[in-house]
Amino acid sequence: NAGVTQTPKFQVLKTGQSMTLQCAQDMNHEYMSWYRQDPGMGLRLIHYSVGAGITDQGEVPNGYNVSRSTTEDFPLRLLSAAPSQTSVYFCASSPTGETEAFFGQGTRLTVV
Amino acid sequence: AQRVTQPEKLLSVFKGAPVELKCNYSYSGSPELFWYVQYSRQRLQLLLRHISRESIKGFTADLNKGETSFHLKKPFAQEEDSAMYYCALSGGYGNKLVFGAGTILRVKS
Repeated sequence: NAGVTQTPKFQVLKTGQSMTLQCAQDMNHEYMSWYRQDPGMGLRLIHYSVGAGITDQGEVPNGYNVSRSTTEDFPLRLLSAAPSQTSVYFCASSPTGETEAFFGQGTRLTVV
Repeated sequence: AQRVTQPEKLLSVFKGAPVELKCNYSYSGSPELFWYVQYSRQRLQLLLRHISRESIKGFTADLNKGETSFHLKKPFAQEEDSAMYYCALSGGYGNKLVFGAGTILRVKS
């Protein structure tokens, strides 16, 4: 049982490059979200989705795009990477009406 | 505004000592509160939620609405409890979670 799977686990980007962080879940959860984890700041919500075709911004959405074409996948796109986006990114999913979130193993991104 | 505060970045205790990880929150309405734990090289996972009122791995947490607190407690710490602990509240629609900054618990032998 895979749960929430994120790829890649590690990535180094140059300033200005773009890339997509992948997130897939096999639990048929409607809710999915992306967080970034920074020292001393905990996890902060970037974008979230309540179902296929529906996305919305979280606390720190600037510089990131998302789409949700299927229930299973919720990719996070960095449009033009900046050093301030160096962080660990976590994807999470929840069933509708439930509040326990299931997390992926994280993607450690470094922008140089 | 919704906010979760964990005042301690690091809590270091000896094995067998009691543990209390502090968490305070601000939220307009009835909050749903959680403790998540991240062990070394593992993903974040749910430890406790206040509505279930259960004890997991010897940990308990009581919601105190008067003091707006949700402190995590364990009477006797074990070395395997060493981890990062996050307090979080659920912000309603879409299950948006608001996290505290986290507390590293280090249990020394």
